[in-house]
Formats: sequence, C-alpha cells, structure tokens
Amino acid sequence: DVVMTQSPLSLPVALGQSASISCRSSQRLVHSDGNTYLNWFQQRPGQSPRRLIYKISNRDSGVPDRFSGSGSGTDFTLKISRVEAEDVGVYYCMQGTHWPRTFGQGTKVEIK
Amino acid sequence: EVHLLQSGGGLVQPGGSLRLSCTASGIIFSDFGMSWVRQAPGKGLEWVSEIRNDGGETHYADSVKGRFTVSRDNSRKILFLQMRSLRVEDTAVYYCAKSWQLGNWGQGSLVTVSS
Repeated sequence: DVVMTQSPLSLPVALGQSASISCRSSQRLVHSDGNTYLNWFQQRPGQSPRRLIYKISNRDSGVPDRFSGSGSGTDFTLKISRVEAEDVGVYYCMQGTHWPRTFGQGTKVEIK
Repeated sequence: EVHLLQSGGGLVQPGGSLRLSCTASGIIFSDFGMSWVRQAPGKGLEWVSEIRNDGGETHYADSVKGRFTVSRDNSRKILFLQMRSLRVEDTAVYYCAKSWQLGNWGQGSLVTVSS
C-alpha cells in the first residue's frame, strides 16, 4: 500500500499568517493516464470532510484562493495564505492513483 | 448542487449485519463512480470501498474484504454498503462520497458495533 506521511501533525498559526502542510507518498503518484491524483481535504470540527484541492493544484468550486496546492512525484504541499478563524480543522492528503486509496494521518490546524 | 443523503446507521452486536444507503441528487448518478470512507472515533480517514459508475467493478480495503459489499441502483440513484460479520473495530462514522476523487461527501452515518 502507498503510505502517505504528513507533517507537521499539529500546526498552530496566528491569524493572518501563512501555513504549509507537507505530504509525502511512498510511491510516485503519476497514474497511467498521466494525471497525479493527489487531493487535499479539510474537516472542520463536527463536519464531514470537504475536498479543497484535486490533482495536486486544482481548487474546488467555492474554495478561497488562499488555499493552494503544489508538488510532484512524491512530495506535495498545501499552503494556506492569510489564515482565518474558519480554517481551523484537520487537513488530510489522499492519493487516488493506486488501490487501496490511502490518506495521510491528518494535520490539525489551530489558531495561535 | 450535489447532495448525498445517507441513512441506515445504528447499533449492532458483533457478528451482526447492517446496510447503509446513500441517495444522490443534483448529479447524473450513473456517470460517476462512488466511494465509502470511514472514520473511527477520534481517528483519521480510512478508505473502505469504491464502485465504478456502471457497478461492473468494485474495490475494497483489506480490512473489510469478504465482509462488506458495495452496490448501486442507478435507476433510483442510491449507493449501498452491505456490512456483514461486523467487528468492534468497524465502529466508525461512514461517509459516502462522489467518485474515487471524493468530490462531495454525505453527512455521515454512525455505525456502533458493541455487545
């Protein structure tokens, strides 16, 4: 199975500052169709997860442009610029290239 | 707007069975594969199962293979997860999600396996 390793696991951030979450995969995530199926999800307290980013860097509809994804191969990053109070929650990366699909452990973002 | 409405959770004894449902609206259901993901209390997300848009191909996590069955009724726009031989460690909130890229999620169904 592909192991997804996130860091840090806890991320205190001051309002208005930036935050970055790293996600590393144990195998390359390039699919045979040429796409890299690396997605990012946000789970606010008490809510269902919500996808923010798909295929490394594509923002979902309604996601603020403060969220951006980057990376390639086995190293990926989610960046949150100008953190707001509503960004508090747990963030997960997930690979959708190989079976079984696998998630990172989650990174808890809180306001400092 | 895509909406996934789940039903069917509850309390079941170890060894018992339960079926979850997920009714879709706002999408052409038969165009999309669908997935199930679970989250044990206080834990992270775990992918459970996936079914192709026509139901012709399914995949399962090793932890549920042989015990869980995913299916769908495209005419009624419903996704199912039949769970058998349930174990205490299957206790979790189960989410249905659109496609294998998990673009939209249901509200979750709590399944508690306990004697």
